[in-house]
Amino acid sequence: GENVEQHPSTLSVQEGDSAVIKCTYSDSASNYFPWYKQELGKGPQLIIDIRSNVGEKKDQRIAVTLNKTAKHFSLHITETQPEDSAVYFCAANTGGFKTIFGAGTRLFVKA
Amino acid sequence: ETGVTQTPRHLVMGMTNKKSLKCEQHLGHNAMYWYKQSAKKPLELMFVYNFKEQTENNSVPSRFSPECPNSSHLFLHLHTLQPEDSALYLCASSQGTDGYTFGSGTRLTVV
Repeated sequence: GENVEQHPSTLSVQEGDSAVIKCTYSDSASNYFPWYKQELGKGPQLIIDIRSNVGEKKDQRIAVTLNKTAKHFSLHITETQPEDSAVYFCAANTGGFKTIFGAGTRLFVKA
Repeated sequence: ETGVTQTPRHLVMGMTNKKSLKCEQHLGHNAMYWYKQSAKKPLELMFVYNFKEQTENNSVPSRFSPECPNSSHLFLHLHTLQPEDSALYLCASSQGTDGYTFGSGTRLTVV
């Protein structure tokens, strides 16, 4: 079955710097890759997603890239702000109802 | 609110108790999910319902019993749980197999 690995597990950046979180997946049939942000006391919230027919997608300060050949996808956050501090999860889906999540990255943005 | 409401937010139960978790979605989505979130582990899929039919049971012990009376409501009935079942239980919904909308979760402690 699908396996998703996520790195790093913890990331600390200075406010204004960029943050990059990387994920790899094992099932070449995976075609949908969402990213979620989870703040303390809340459930994960979808922040951006990408499909396998697209290499890059941007939404304001966040962007996601996908390398299907290498089975890598990454989340990029530019001009980080303290409110970006949270746990971020990558995930992969093959089109069915089973989405597999990475273990999460705890991002700290220092003011 | 996210459109997915979970109750209760917190639950403490003894190993011989029976309790139920409730989830309700107001988004008109066709699929609903139960996930278990434990510290330092990826989100674990437990059950999936599509149009109130169970499509996935991810080898979950029988002490967890799901119920989906309609596409808007999902329950998780709990009985004779173990301390290792203590975790955050998250409900989610989706339209098709795309990005999920999660509730805020029920923090369960088994004593």
